[in-house]
Amino acid sequence: QVQLQESGPGLVKPSETLSLTCVVSNSSISSGHYWGWIRQPPGEGLEWIASIYYSESNFHNPSLTSRITMSVNPSKNQFSLNLSSVTAADTAVYYCARHKDGGLFGFDFWGQGTFVTVSS
Amino acid sequence: DIQMTQSPSSLSASIGDRVTITCQASQDISTYLNWYQQKPGKAPKLLIYDASNLETGVPSRISGSGSGTEFTLTINSLQAEDFATYYCQQFDNLLTFGGGTKVEIK
Repeated sequence: QVQLQESGPGLVKPSETLSLTCVVSNSSISSGHYWGWIRQPPGEGLEWIASIYYSESNFHNPSLTSRITMSVNPSKNQFSLNLSSVTAADTAVYYCARHKDGGLFGFDFWGQGTFVTVSS
Repeated sequence: DIQMTQSPSSLSASIGDRVTITCQASQDISTYLNWYQQKPGKAPKLLIYDASNLETGVPSRISGSGSGTEFTLTINSLQAEDFATYYCQQFDNLLTFGGGTKVEIK
């Protein structure tokens, strides 16, 4: 069973950069899948943030692209997200997930999510 | 950007009912649509991919249909474990989720 585990700071100050890492188990990050980030503000719906391939080809939500940096670390079987210039609107549960098959398809395995608060 | 509109935003139903949720895309997305179920405090779970294909392990009382701009998720004979929020998601052009439909107990 593929497992994903997010890790992050929990609390980030406004204007700073949010950094999250997702460690993948029982599936190689170089296995031909895309890997993505999705977030969910409290009481709201899901928002796709970005997705990346092990070759570092990546795709971003156009509304966030200017603030996103993604990377992959095959040696640690993990991928990361940096979101810069955060505001209170970035407060959310952040999920990492694996795309099904070899493209930007549905997400078939998800992490449990990590809640990030943006506050001074 | 492709917008996804779900209706209704919430509904009340009883055990054994048939429930239908609709998702409308702002432009033709062929069958590039997935459905997810999310329970409180949990990550979403993929139910249907490519509009009508049942993900492994999902009960057959759940089905999806549609193409182009109109899609439907149907749950036949609603069970207690089906009370949750459901989201559609297009992947024709990047990714967009619908706003969600909360299925509550009547």
